[in-house]
Amino acid sequence: EAGVAQSPRYKIIEKRQSVAFWCNPISGHATLYWYQQILGQGPKLLIQFQNNGVVDDSQLPKDRFSAERLKGVDSTLKIQPAKLEDSAVYLCASSLGWGTFRHEQFFGPGTRLTVL
Amino acid sequence: GESVGLHLPTLSVQEGDNSIINCAYSNSASDYFIWYKQESGKGPQFIIDIRSNMDKRQGQRVTVLLNKTVKHLSLQIAATQPGDSAVYFCAEPGGTSYGKLTFGQGTILTVHP
Repeated sequence: EAGVAQSPRYKIIEKRQSVAFWCNPISGHATLYWYQQILGQGPKLLIQFQNNGVVDDSQLPKDRFSAERLKGVDSTLKIQPAKLEDSAVYLCASSLGWGTFRHEQFFGPGTRLTVL
Repeated sequence: GESVGLHLPTLSVQEGDNSIINCAYSNSASDYFIWYKQESGKGPQFIIDIRSNMDKRQGQRVTVLLNKTVKHLSLQIAATQPGDSAVYFCAEPGGTSYGKLTFGQGTILTVHP
């Protein structure tokens, strides 16, 4: 079974530029998550989708970050404009569903973003 | 628990030793915990989980212990192997759907052959 795919794996940009990340979840997984992982810290949830609807985006900096999952499958996360503190690994994860006690999340390899 | 910054705790062991990784949490109402392993350049990978109605749960070479009195859990890895070298995180699902994982401070485990 193919895992969660993410691209690009690495991205270097200058501050104030824009960047977009792409994620393709495991086939059949209805729930998709984007996490930000700053060096030395655990991942922090940015946004959670159930199919193409947003379940939780309370920690998404909406003045510069946006995400969409238009057809309920793959998703893009955009940063515009980027700041130095956005340097991090952006992880995408997916799970079969939500609303139950245990829904294992499967993580992709992440995109490492460096903002200069 | 919450991640606290750049200085992750580290644990260095010899191959074949047992490893114990600790995690503290603050919310006494927390009822479910997950341990994740994150190898360099990869996303976190599920290891084992435990519900608050249990004190102990065993998997293959791993055991998780939960002490609700002191709000502490630990991950024990038996006969540690070089392939176990990674960062280990405890995490709590929460939010409206149990989808919002809150990760604790990670521990860097290094296994020397």
